Amino acid sequence: DGGITQSPKYLFRKEGQNVTLSCEQNLNHDAMYWYRQDPGQGLRLIYYSQIVNDFQKGDIAEGYSVSREKKESFPLTVTSAQKNPTAFYLCASSIRGQISNQPQHFGDGTRLSIL
Amino acid sequence: DQQVKQNSPSLSVQEGRISILNCDYTNSMFDYFLWYKKYPAEGPTFLISISSIKDKNEDGRFTVFLNKSAKHLSLHIVPSQPGDSAVYFCAASSAGTASKLTFGTGTRLQVTL
Repeated sequence: DGGITQSPKYLFRKEGQNVTLSCEQNLNHDAMYWYRQDPGQGLRLIYYSQIVNDFQKGDIAEGYSVSREKKESFPLTVTSAQKNPTAFYLCASSIRGQISNQPQHFGDGTRLSIL
Repeated sequence: DQQVKQNSPSLSVQEGRISILNCDYTNSMFDYFLWYKKYPAEGPTFLISISSIKDKNEDGRFTVFLNKSAKHLSLHIVPSQPGDSAVYFCAASSAGTASKLTFGTGTRLQVTL
């Protein structure tokens, strides 16, 4: 089955630690995205990548970093500089990044909590 | 600045009736609009979309209406079923922005028996 796999589903981090969230897709999509969802709020864009080896900051990139070394993988690192990292993180992909009028398809998310 | 607004946090509808979820936007550059459905602890699932060149798009029980002059869109679900109970997000994007989506805050729909 084609889809987007996020792992782990639940993640705990100690204060001051970096942590990396995994996102893999086998849809052969060019574009990938990371969002954050907080209670009672919509999804906010952290980073996006339209093509391998290229990525751009979204609306709330501070304290996060990404890489896009392979088409199917777009890991997100939550660094210790992120002041409020507890949230539900969602990864998405779409066929082409440069063209609008395409839906994004989402993984099932990773819930990150601070110990 | 909330560019996409869903002013009703929740909605309760009886099974078999019509559910109408509303969304307003402020950015006149938006030209593509989507509705997603989300269950707790899961990712959003794409439901239906509409381009700004249309004013209506229908897919089975789901119909999206777009009123560009009012910067308003709505999702109609007919007939509503208990399995439709979820949070619904509207989202919008504009050409040339790498399909970046701006989401509303969501409306929780509960379909009662």
